[in-house]
Amino acid sequence: GQNIDQPTEMTATEGAIVQINCTYQTSGFNGLFWYQQHAGEAPTFLSYNVLDGLEEKGRFSSFLSRSKGYSYLLLKELQMKDSASYLCAVAPYGGATNKLIFGTGTLLAVQP
Amino acid sequence: GAVVSQHPSWVICKSGTSVKIECRSLDFQATTMFWYRQFPKQSLMLMATSNEGSKATYEQGVEKDKFLINHASLTLSTLTVTSAHPEDSSFYICSGWGLPEYEQYFGPGTRLTVT
Repeated sequence: GQNIDQPTEMTATEGAIVQINCTYQTSGFNGLFWYQQHAGEAPTFLSYNVLDGLEEKGRFSSFLSRSKGYSYLLLKELQMKDSASYLCAVAPYGGATNKLIFGTGTLLAVQP
Repeated sequence: GAVVSQHPSWVICKSGTSVKIECRSLDFQATTMFWYRQFPKQSLMLMATSNEGSKATYEQGVEKDKFLINHASLTLSTLTVTSAHPEDSSFYICSGWGLPEYEQYFGPGTRLTVT
């Protein structure tokens, strides 16, 4: 089966750094994605990792360790608008028909 | 980035009626699109993979006769919720792979409320 786990909720302070972890066990692996979703809206793409290591994009970074089935999303210089759900998703297979399996999602609350 | 639209953005219907939701890829062709359902405070659950010109592939536990999917063109997929019940009330989101191919683009979602 496919299993992707994330913490359900996290709280952090404005201006701080927060790390959201994701562990996965899937039948195959063709990349791991992080999405941000505000309440009532569609998810928006944040990052994509297919090789081990850290990918940095502005205030957001994502790390992948394929051998450990582990990824994290790092958010720096937190802003109030970063309060949202963060979804970890794995693409088990390749190609245009590749579906995404989503984790449980982490609801991040940024406090003043 | 690629754009995916959905219509309607929200709909209220009576129990027992059917509702059709459209998903369009506006600036790319999608041979494959995906339909998700999301209940409040939960993550996205994949319902089915919609394939242009062929039958959809449903995930385990999703009733294919209740959730009818049609993908008649490279830019349009439709989801019809037949004989809707209050427990079908949810947020339905479609998506498709655009360019670059590693990014899946999501529609804005359709909020369905069945009374």
